[in-house]
Amino acid sequence: KQEVTQIPAALSVPEGENLVLNCSFTDSAIYNLQWFRQDPGKGLTSLLLIQSSQREQTSGRLNASLDKSSGRSTLYIAASQPGDSATYLCAVETGANNLFFGTGTRLTVIP
Amino acid sequence: GAGVSQSPSNKVTEKGKDVELRCDPISGHTALYWYRQSLGQGLEFLIYFQGNSAPDKSGLPSDRFSAERTGGSVSTLTIQRTQQEDSAVYLCASSFPRNLGYFGPGTRLTVL
Repeated sequence: KQEVTQIPAALSVPEGENLVLNCSFTDSAIYNLQWFRQDPGKGLTSLLLIQSSQREQTSGRLNASLDKSSGRSTLYIAASQPGDSATYLCAVETGANNLFFGTGTRLTVIP
Repeated sequence: GAGVSQSPSNKVTEKGKDVELRCDPISGHTALYWYRQSLGQGLEFLIYFQGNSAPDKSGLPSDRFSAERTGGSVSTLTIQRTQQEDSAVYLCASSFPRNLGYFGPGTRLTVL
């Protein structure tokens, strides 16, 4: 069974700092990997999707990379802002038509 | 355009009662997922609908849980004889298969 791990579980950084969130998965047979953010009391917001054939995706200050063979993905956030504070989740989609989620990284950006 | 909507946003019920949770996916999305997130836990897959295919029910925790999707659009998740361990946030998502999943705001279920 696919297992998705995110490290660190929580991260606090001062505003303006660049940061990296890590995601690892045990089975490299994936269709895609997605990064989401979850704000307290709200649903998930899709950030980036990387297809299994791709290496990275960029959206604004966010850059996500995928190394399928090693079972790793990173989410890079440049010039962090207090509004980036949220829980970030990665999820991999497998042939079972399911998204396997990690437990998330809780990010706090300190003004 | 409108995103995924869910109702009710909050539901408090007594142990043993039945509840129905509703999800309105984004128009045209053929894939629909239900997840739940218990306090301090990750997201747990419940069920997946894709078009007219038989749903993938492999994540439903017990036979008290069922879901249907009428006309390939609205979905209802039903929990019968609720138990306290059913308390969680129930999240619905829709997408085109293999594309970004769009989640609703969730229904917070509390079973007293």
